[in-house]
Amino acid sequence: DTGVSQNPRHKITKRGQNVTFRCDPISEHNRLYWYRQTLGQGPEFLTYFQNEAQLEKSRLLSDRFSAERPKGSFSTLEIQRTEQGDSAMYLCASSRQGTAYEQYFGPGTRLTVT
Amino acid sequence: GQSLEQPSEVTAVEGAIVQINCTYQTSGFYGLSWYQQHDGGAPTFLSYNALDGLEETGRFSSFLSRSDSYGYLLLQELQMKDSASYFCAVRGAPGTASKLTFGTGTRLQVTL
Repeated sequence: DTGVSQNPRHKITKRGQNVTFRCDPISEHNRLYWYRQTLGQGPEFLTYFQNEAQLEKSRLLSDRFSAERPKGSFSTLEIQRTEQGDSAMYLCASSRQGTAYEQYFGPGTRLTVT
Repeated sequence: GQSLEQPSEVTAVEGAIVQINCTYQTSGFYGLSWYQQHDGGAPTFLSYNALDGLEETGRFSSFLSRSDSYGYLLLQELQMKDSASYFCAVRGAPGTASKLTFGTGTRLQVTL
């Protein structure tokens, strides 16, 4: 299977701890996106990369969130000093340049902050 | 900013046709995408409209009217496996054509 993969699939952490998630996109896709989804809502855009460059970050995104894509392949999303409100599904997606309308999503990482 | 409106739930009988509407208000617009998401699954791409009119992909069709800021997804010959949430998503915001803004989704229940 050469789809988008994410690790871990589930993460339970205590409030105040830092967590890091990994996303491996489809290899020929140079665009990579991070979204957050809570129950009953659509995915909410967090940030996206073109190759290794982070081109946009949501203004709703706290400074506690940071994302990297150091070599233009996999990406990591780190949340520092987690809060209960951070509990959500974190989705990663990728696309070819020019076809941002057709994004391929990974299975997501479900974060629970206790 | 961007806002999208969809009905929260729709119920239809197997074999029937159902239409899921989406109205949007955006400050930038390149096109409207539709995604399907089964419970516990990832969103999967269904269709995209950049221009006015109807796009057909098998049992699914999508329509866009840019002048009315309106689109819909049409599902024909409904099957039980079509029970899922359906999201419209606007492509485009000031300064970027790559950001997708999703609606809150329509939960479709297909019954016998």
